[in-house]
Amino acid sequence: SAVISQKPSRDICQRGTSLTIQCQVDSQVTMMFWYRQQPGQSLTLIATANQGSEATYESGFVIDKFPISRPNLTFSTLTVSNMSPEDSSIYLCSVGGDYSYEQYFGPGTRLTVT
Amino acid sequence: AQSVTQLGSHVSVSEGALVLLRCNYSSSVPPYLFWYVQYPNQGLQLLLKYTSAATLVKGINGFEAEFKKSETSFHLTKPSAHMSDAAEYFCAVSDNTGGFKTIFGAGTRLFVKA
Repeated sequence: SAVISQKPSRDICQRGTSLTIQCQVDSQVTMMFWYRQQPGQSLTLIATANQGSEATYESGFVIDKFPISRPNLTFSTLTVSNMSPEDSSIYLCSVGGDYSYEQYFGPGTRLTVT
Repeated sequence: AQSVTQLGSHVSVSEGALVLLRCNYSSSVPPYLFWYVQYPNQGLQLLLKYTSAATLVKGINGFEAEFKKSETSFHLTKPSAHMSDAAEYFCAVSDNTGGFKTIFGAGTRLFVKA
């Protein structure tokens, strides 16, 4: 299994600003995923980030709002841009096995937008 | 398309009682099925997974789940609940048509009464 860390663990931001969340993995992985978990709800996939290619966004999520970088096999960032209170959520990164479908999750970033 | 339905958003059991969390899935091809647990203010942790081997899958912390194709179910059980089992549990499905993407159920909050 992989060990994943995220920074920051939580933040309170003002509307209209942007926040970049970092995800660091202790081993090289091909696939990384970014999820949003709104209060009391399940996980919604934002995008899949593979190293060396553009992130693939799910329906309802766009690159201008959630730009993602994946500069190497152990690191990724997700930016939440031009934030509004509706962006208040937990943002989770995860990594998947190349030949298995299980995922390993970071501890999450709890974002509150005021 | 894949989907997951978890029956019961909240389940309450007494300490020492049987835990049963229900999950039904829909997939057009043989699925990979997972149960994840999320403790407060933490990311998700893999409890167990079904990947077309034995239909009865044993996981961590005494949990197990049985894959029943005829019922399209993957219910999670534990013979005797412990206070530390109180958490949110997510059933998830993935298959090779989704590019390693995983669909999560809505989650079931387990309460354990002393």
